[in-house]
Amino acid sequence: AQKITQTQPGMFVQEKEAVTLDCTYDTSDPSYGLFWYKQPSSGEMIFLIYQGSYDQQNATEGRYSLNFQKARKSANLVISASQLGDSAMYFCAMREGMRVNKLVFGAGTILRVKS
Amino acid sequence: DVKVTQSSRYLVKRTGEKVFLECVQDMDHENMFWYRQDPGLGLRLIYFSYDVKMKEKGDIPEGYSVSREKKERFSLILESASTNQTSMYLCAGARVSDYNEQFFGPGTRLTVL
Repeated sequence: AQKITQTQPGMFVQEKEAVTLDCTYDTSDPSYGLFWYKQPSSGEMIFLIYQGSYDQQNATEGRYSLNFQKARKSANLVISASQLGDSAMYFCAMREGMRVNKLVFGAGTILRVKS
Repeated sequence: DVKVTQSSRYLVKRTGEKVFLECVQDMDHENMFWYRQDPGLGLRLIYFSYDVKMKEKGDIPEGYSVSREKKERFSLILESASTNQTSMYLCAGARVSDYNEQFFGPGTRLTVL
C-alpha cells in the first residue's frame, strides 16, 4: 500500500489566487512527521514546511500552510497568493517514528501558475 | 548556508561500467541519504547512513552499494550499471533535530546507454 498518496499529477492556478495540493498518508505509528518539499525545474529540493503528529496547531511558513487533518490522515499544502515562481513540482513526504529520519515520498504534483 | 554537493550534474555511462556518485556535505550531519527520482514514482530511498561506516538499506537497494568512510562524504556505487538505472540521483543530509529536515544536493542525472 502507498504510504504517501498525492492524487493530483498536475494543477493550474491563476496568479495571486490560493491553491491546495493534496496529500494523504498511511501509518500505524503514532509518532510521525510530515514534510512538503518544492522542486523547481532546476532540480534542487527545497524544504517548505513540517508538521509533527503531536502538533496541536497547523504549521505555517509565510505563504505556506499545512492543513493537517489527523483523523482523515491528510496533510494538504495551501499556498496563498500564488506567484509565478511557485511553478514547480511539489512533494509530500513522511517520516515514521522518531528514531530514524528516513522519508517516504509521494509521487509529486506539478503546479503551474498562470499570469 | 548549509551545503550538500554532488560530484556531477550530468553523467553518461555504458552498460556494465562501475559508476561512482559522490556526495559531500559541510553541515556536520550524522545522517546521509541516497534517493533516485523517477517520473510518477517520486523519490525512493536507496541507502542511508546514520554514522561513519554505518549503512542501512532503503526501499530499493538492489544493484547499488554505498560507502561512508568520512562523516562528510557518502558515495553511491553502481557495481555494473544497467539501463534501468538511468535516473536522477539525489543525495541528502540531515541533522538530528526536532524534526530532522533533510537538505538535498542538486542531483545527478545519470544516463546508462
